[in-house]
Amino acid sequence: GDSVTQMEGPVTLSEEAFLTINCTYTATGYPSLFWYVQYPGEGLQLLLKATKADDKGSNKGFEATYRKETTSFHLEKGSVQVSDSAVYFCALINAGGTSYGKLTFGQGTILTVHP
Amino acid sequence: DTGVSQNPRHKITKRGQNVTFRCDPISEHNRLYWYRQTLGQGPEFLTYFQNEAQLEKSRLLSDRFSAERPKGSFSTLEIQRTEQGDSAMYLCASSLIGAGGSTDTQYFGPGTRLTVL
Repeated sequence: GDSVTQMEGPVTLSEEAFLTINCTYTATGYPSLFWYVQYPGEGLQLLLKATKADDKGSNKGFEATYRKETTSFHLEKGSVQVSDSAVYFCALINAGGTSYGKLTFGQGTILTVHP
Repeated sequence: DTGVSQNPRHKITKRGQNVTFRCDPISEHNRLYWYRQTLGQGPEFLTYFQNEAQLEKSRLLSDRFSAERPKGSFSTLEIQRTEQGDSAMYLCASSLIGAGGSTDTQYFGPGTRLTVL
């Protein structure tokens, strides 16, 4: 079945540091890829998405590129802020599979940014 | 548009009791999903509806779990004879799927945290 693997965390950075959170996936069809963010005490929010190979999703300074050849969708940000501290989830929807529309999530990566 | 809402936000119950959660999706959304999230894990799919039809149920959804969306608007998730292993955050999401079936963004509610003592 479909699966998503995120880099093991937690990740601790100083403000203005460069962020990379790795995400790789396994899917039988042609998935759409997503990053969701969960701030403390809040619900999941969509951060960015990409629906086909080589697409780049971007939002709030975060970027991720859909790499079909490496089955990856790594999240990057050039300069993190304390307010970016949250849990980040990589996810996919396999539009070509039998479970049309359901999200398959990775285990999440906790990011803590210190001043 | 007030987003997806879920009630209650927290529920503490004793083992063996029945509980029911409600989800109100974004008003024009035709798809509604239920997920379960345990501590330190990503959400896991439970079931989803398109309008009032329940189209898929995960193997995680035992016979003690039932979900309904009677008029294609709000949904309820009931757990009968709760067990300690049911303790988790129950998330609801909704989306709008077009006539061509294109994938659309799922918007999540704040969740209902269930604690079974």
